[in-house]
Amino acid sequence: AQSVTQPDIHITVSEGASLELRCNYSYGATPYLFWYVQSPGQGLQLLLKYFSGDTLVQGIKGFEAEFKRSQSSFNLRKPSVHWSDAAEYFCAVVPDQTGANNLFFGTGTRLTVIP
Amino acid sequence: EAQVTQNPRYLITVTGKKLTVTCSQNMNHEYMSWYRQDPGLGLRQIYYSMNVEVTDKGDVPEGYKVSRKEKRNFPLILESPSPNQTSLYFCASSPISGKSPLHFGNGTRLTVT
Repeated sequence: AQSVTQPDIHITVSEGASLELRCNYSYGATPYLFWYVQSPGQGLQLLLKYFSGDTLVQGIKGFEAEFKRSQSSFNLRKPSVHWSDAAEYFCAVVPDQTGANNLFFGTGTRLTVIP
Repeated sequence: EAQVTQNPRYLITVTGKKLTVTCSQNMNHEYMSWYRQDPGLGLRQIYYSMNVEVTDKGDVPEGYKVSRKEKRNFPLILESPSPNQTSLYFCASSPISGKSPLHFGNGTRLTVT
């Protein structure tokens, strides 16, 4: 079945440590790929997106993500985590590049940052 | 300010009592969508609309209705709410292209007792 998988439900990191959140998808063609962040009590905010071209994309708040076609992955990274990064992170996919904006989400990864 | 506005933010109701959650966007977006968010399940699409008078089912449409009579509004209607519809609901909008990121409202937390 087609899906977006975020294998880590909850991750805890120390402030200043590096971070990698995993995302895998199982759609046939290369989809459009997104990472969103949800702070408590808020809606979702776009961190970054990948459509084509350079497989390393930069986003807001110092985040980046790398598209690896061979692994069907789009992992999110940050070199040094800040306490304000504590939130829930969602990987999302638009499977059909010819269609409209039907976004399918992973189940999310909750990030806790400890001092 | 460009935004998607949902109302109400919080709603507690009883089984069977019809309710409507409103969603309005001021960005002239063609595409609008409703999602529900449940722990461990992420966001699942309920209904979407590509333009006025054009709506279609998402992954979990059962028990919901929508309408798109005007471009800016996309209300979500629960004709006979049940406890399994207790959830956090998000409305989102974007231009029609799949490359356009969604703009989300702040959510409506619905409890059905």
